[in-house]
Amino acid sequence: SQQGEEDPQALSIQEGENATMNCSYKTSINNLQWYRQNSGRGLVHLILIRSNEREKHSGRLRVTLDTSKKSSSLLITASRAADTASYFCATGRLTFGEGTQLTVNP
Amino acid sequence: KAGVTQTPRYLIKTRGQQVTLSCSPISGHRSVSWYQQTPGQGLQFLFEYFSETQRNKGNFPGRFSGRQFSNSRSEMNVSTLELGDSALYLCASSLVRGGTDTQYFGPGTRLTVL
Repeated sequence: SQQGEEDPQALSIQEGENATMNCSYKTSINNLQWYRQNSGRGLVHLILIRSNEREKHSGRLRVTLDTSKKSSSLLITASRAADTASYFCATGRLTFGEGTQLTVNP
Repeated sequence: KAGVTQTPRYLIKTRGQQVTLSCSPISGHRSVSWYQQTPGQGLQFLFEYFSETQRNKGNFPGRFSGRQFSNSRSEMNVSTLELGDSALYLCASSLVRGGTDTQYFGPGTRLTVL
């Protein structure tokens, strides 16, 4: 099955810094999505990037996709304490990893 | 438009009991997927229902079952509960099936098995 695996598992930064998370997957995809989860709650969809796109922006979020390396990265610029959450990538129904736990210190 | 709702939000059961969780998707969404989330295991896909039919199933024992009604509402049932079934159960709805579009998640049901 397709599997998204996020890296690093945990990331701690100061407010105002940028945060970069990576995702690797194993099979070909139609699209890749990033989600955020705050402390044991439901997941919130952040951004979807299609397999024919290489980069996509949404506010302070920038996602890149490299299908040749089967990897994606999520960049959060000018991070805020409210960005503290777990971030997951997904390439379909079966595909969530364990996420990257981001902590933004005020 | 109302979001995905899940009931109950919290549940405490004992080993051997069974439990039924409910999920109401966003109006117009016909696909409902269920996930189990535990520390260390991350999010694991249970199954997906579309038009009242199970379309996809994850690697879970037969104690985990589900169904979808004509109004797209879905229920998940776990029989003969085990301690390891303690988890956050999330459901997600989407317009189409198969993971090609955005999934919208509910707040989850926190199940504790004692």
